[in-house]
Amino acid sequence: DQQVKQNSPSLSVQEGRISILNCDYTNSMFDYFLWYKKYPAEGPTFLISISSIKDKNEDGRFTVFLNKSAKHLSLHIVPSQPGDSAVYFCAASASRYKLSFGAGTTVTVRA
Amino acid sequence: KAGVTQTPRYLIKTRGQQVTLSCSPISGHRSVSWYQQTPGQGLQFLFEYFSETQRNKGNFPGRFSGRQFSNSRSEMNVSTLELGDSALYLCASSLGGLASYNEQFFGPGTRLTVL
Repeated sequence: DQQVKQNSPSLSVQEGRISILNCDYTNSMFDYFLWYKKYPAEGPTFLISISSIKDKNEDGRFTVFLNKSAKHLSLHIVPSQPGDSAVYFCAASASRYKLSFGAGTTVTVRA
Repeated sequence: KAGVTQTPRYLIKTRGQQVTLSCSPISGHRSVSWYQQTPGQGLQFLFEYFSETQRNKGNFPGRFSGRQFSNSRSEMNVSTLELGDSALYLCASSLGGLASYNEQFFGPGTRLTVL
């Protein structure tokens, strides 16, 4: 049972524009949400996170928004750069040591 | 600080065989988690070890097992391999405390192919 869903398997965006990645979850016990970025042949690397007590967290070009009532979060990348081309995973945690991941969204930034 | 290391990086086995994968966490990290990544399924949680004890387990059959040693290194074993076990197996380490969320750092993974 997939508790975290990323319904868009891929996203193509022009360099300099905004990339918006979406994620939905079903488990109301999730209280911590994260985004990971993964390049081929490498493990996922942590990008940004948000606690359920907040609705927005910003780190440089990356902003994560959380809408608890809709059980939805999104990642905004502004401006998108060629190095942002990767697979992005949304993850959520209801405990402190288990993450539930979405299937991932492949982002391609076009020059 | 050295990152999380996993060995071997690539492995080819045949159905019915068994396999052991190894993970060395970041120095000082006491928690090791294992995930299976397959196309279209994202990362599926296998289990997590903390101080040599399995603290949490995902929904995988008993053919998947693991252990952790006193130096926090962990091994994962899959017995009676099936074609569907072909995947990237990722290990992640963290400090492991329960007071707050501890960031997980991932290794590069072991690519297992079952023929």
